[in-house]
Amino acid sequence: DAGVIQSPRHEVTEMGQEVTLRCKPISGHDYLFWYRQTMMRGLELLIYFNNNVPIDDSGMPEDRFSAKMPNASFSTLKIQPSEPRDSAVYFCASSPGGLSNQPQHFGDGTRLSIL
Amino acid sequence: DQQVKQNSPSLSVQEGRISILNCDYTNSMFDYFLWYKKYPAEGPTFLISISSIKDKNEDGRFTVFLNKSAKHLSLHIVPSQPGDSAVYFCAASASGANSKLTFGKGITLSVRP
Repeated sequence: DAGVIQSPRHEVTEMGQEVTLRCKPISGHDYLFWYRQTMMRGLELLIYFNNNVPIDDSGMPEDRFSAKMPNASFSTLKIQPSEPRDSAVYFCASSPGGLSNQPQHFGDGTRLSIL
Repeated sequence: DQQVKQNSPSLSVQEGRISILNCDYTNSMFDYFLWYKKYPAEGPTFLISISSIKDKNEDGRFTVFLNKSAKHLSLHIVPSQPGDSAVYFCAASASGANSKLTFGKGITLSVRP
């Protein structure tokens, strides 16, 4: 049974370029989450979806960040234009139900470096 | 403002001994707590959880204790094994299907053979 799949695993790009991170959740999971991990702030929730609909995007740092979920099996997180301070590990996670009692399953992350 | 705090960034213990990882929270609305374990270059994986109606939950070598009055929880691993060496994240949420998980910054556990 495949887990959450993220691509690419590593991304190195120059400041100002557009970056697109991709996520395939576990089949049947209704919730999808995007997190960012940095040394300073730890693991932060950026946005989450329920049944493909964005529910809470209050963690998205600025308008340069956007996320979409066009169908139940695919989501993207886009940064345009990218800046060096966006360098972090970005995780996607999914869960089968409500957040309170359904553990989230994480992908292995995308390590993003903006030069 | 960190609502979930893991104040010790690292812990080193001898194989076979007990590992105690601590976590404090400030939001009194939190009523569900989880521990995740993370190996390098992998995503966090769920380890164990506890609801606020309990003060202890045990799963094999892992036990989580919750002290609501102190807003403190701890993860005990006994006996510790070298394969337990990883980063451990404490997370918390408030009731409701749309509650967010708030994570601590993590503790790096090293178990020495």
